[in-house]
Amino acid sequence: AQKVTQAQTEISVVEKEDVTLDCVYETRDTTYYLFWYKQPPSGELVFLIRRNSFDEQNEISGRYSWNFQKSTSSFNFTITASQVVDSAVYFCALSEWTSGSRLTFGEGTQLTVNP
Amino acid sequence: EADIYQTPRYLVIGTGKKITLECSQTMGHDKMYWYQQDPGMELHLIHYSYGVNSTEKGDLSSESTVSRIRTEHFPLTLESARPSHTSQYLCASSERLYGYTFGSGTRLTVV
Repeated sequence: AQKVTQAQTEISVVEKEDVTLDCVYETRDTTYYLFWYKQPPSGELVFLIRRNSFDEQNEISGRYSWNFQKSTSSFNFTITASQVVDSAVYFCALSEWTSGSRLTFGEGTQLTVNP
Repeated sequence: EADIYQTPRYLVIGTGKKITLECSQTMGHDKMYWYQQDPGMELHLIHYSYGVNSTEKGDLSSESTVSRIRTEHFPLTLESARPSHTSQYLCASSERLYGYTFGSGTRLTVV
């Protein structure tokens, strides 16, 4: 069975600080996808990134970067030079072939960036 | 432009009322899902469908029911709403393991 763990329930930083959100996953599949979503107070889910299990290349998109390490089953998300607009709940998620592509979410991390 | 639509966006309703939350997608996806989320909390899968006339219960037990008579439409119904049903309900669709699209959600409050 697939499982996603986000151990950090809440993180509070001051603007311009760097912050890393941790995500650890469990799966027995060799084919799976990992995702990060942002959920602002309005409630909708904003897609940020997906990675497949065969691509461990790290990715950078502006101030966002992701570190995927299969050896530790982790898919961590770093925001560089955080801004107040980054304040939101961030969810890591996993889909695997044997679960019929059902998306399993972690518990979420509430990030608050203070001015 | 959204490819998956949920209505209503907000709903406040009295205990005991029957309600239907609508979800429609225009992408022709076979797979559709309903997630329930309490404010700031984890998303739990409550129903999913892999195609017309196919519906399954998700990981979290729910008193709601769903139907899938048309590919594009996946409504969720509560026969008798209770305050414990107060939550946000998010609908999603996907084509493969990775192509998920989420609706904007319905925030349901049962008073």
